Amino acid sequence: DVKVTQSSRYLVKRTGEKVFLECVQDMDHENMFWYRQDPGLGLRLIYFSYDVKMKEKGDIPEGYSVSREKKERFSLILESASTNQTSMYLCASSLIGTGGLETQYFGPGTRLLVL
Amino acid sequence: AQSVAQPEDQVNVAEGNPLTVKCTYSVSGNPYLFWYVQYPNRGLQFLLKYITGDNLVKGSYGFEAEFNKSQTSFHLKKPSALVSDSALYFCAVAHFNKFYFGSGTKLNVKP
Repeated sequence: DVKVTQSSRYLVKRTGEKVFLECVQDMDHENMFWYRQDPGLGLRLIYFSYDVKMKEKGDIPEGYSVSREKKERFSLILESASTNQTSMYLCASSLIGTGGLETQYFGPGTRLLVL
Repeated sequence: AQSVAQPEDQVNVAEGNPLTVKCTYSVSGNPYLFWYVQYPNRGLQFLLKYITGDNLVKGSYGFEAEFNKSQTSFHLKKPSALVSDSALYFCAVAHFNKFYFGSGTKLNVKP
């Protein structure tokens, strides 16, 4: 079974803090993704990576950055947390596949509260 | 632009009755469609996908989905709902390594 783990289930941070969210997958997947999930908005893609040290912006990258130094690990960084970044953050991974059609496998999520 | 619409925020059904969760899509090129389920405080779990072939796709937990090209729909169905099916369901379309998700439909199955 594919396993995607996220470093924290719940986080509480203060406005202006730098926040690191870590994601690790154990299936040698090339692709990794960070989403945020908000009620009524579904999942929105923040960033994704298709290889080590490679990254691409998703639909809502503002206020976020990412790091992928190893194939199995993909980090999401909030440079200066703001209250509007309070959300559920979901990490996913997939094989690179043909035309990007491979199933994405999700971690359990990190619920972040910024005060 | 690729997009997915789930027109119902919530669907209520009695246990044992058939259920349908609706999804329509807009995509350039061939549609590659997915359904995921999310239980409370959990990540998303893959249910099924349509890439090509038979319009009726069978997936996990007795779920199936019907692809209808003319109506640009990919509705999720189950012949007999269980209370344990109560969860949040997401439809998604894949396009070149990126997934576009609908806003989600909360399914409530009552005993």
